[in-house]
Amino acid sequence: EDQVTQSPEALRLQEGESSSLNCSYTVSGLRGLFWYRQDPGKGPEFLFTLYSAGEEKEKERLKATLTKKESFLHITAPKPEDSATYLCAVQSYNFNKFYFGSGTKLNVKP
Amino acid sequence: NAGVTQTPKFQVLKTGQSMTLQCAQDMNHNSMYWYRQDPGMGLRLIYYSASEGTTDKGEVPNGYNVSRLNKREFSLRLESAAPSQTSVYFCASPGSSSYEQYFGPGTRLTVT
Repeated sequence: EDQVTQSPEALRLQEGESSSLNCSYTVSGLRGLFWYRQDPGKGPEFLFTLYSAGEEKEKERLKATLTKKESFLHITAPKPEDSATYLCAVQSYNFNKFYFGSGTKLNVKP
Repeated sequence: NAGVTQTPKFQVLKTGQSMTLQCAQDMNHNSMYWYRQDPGMGLRLIYYSASEGTTDKGEVPNGYNVSRLNKREFSLRLESAAPSQTSVYFCASPGSSSYEQYFGPGTRLTVT
């Protein structure tokens, strides 16, 4: 069964303190792995798509990487405005469905 | 949330009442999805529609019905609301040339 697990559930960082969020997955034929950012009271906002092991994508202070079993979202020198919940999702080739993890709630303190 | 709109934004229902959540997308994609989001459980797929005229059950379809009215619109209906359906509901659709999904702003539903 396709499954996504994110860790940690919550992460508190000081401004400028770099860290990584983890997304472990099992899927029968990965079409894509997706990262989203969600602010309170809003819908998820798309960040990255990764398609194959070894692939990396960057956007400002965020960098996403992918292996055959997990993905990492690295946050370099975070700022308070990076505070949000980060969601990971996978889509398999077998079904037209997405499977989401429960998210990591990031709080960056000034 | 550009491209996907949802109405209403907030709704309070009493147990047993019915309502329809509306979703529309302007990205001209065939697929549309309905999710619910509950604390600690992430987004769970309720129903999806791979194309106009087709719908399929997702992970948690019980208590819901859907209608794919046309390529743009996909509605979710609660025939007899229950407190367990208190949640935030999101509609989503892929972009016109990509696999990633784009989400609407959500409907916050409370059933008392």
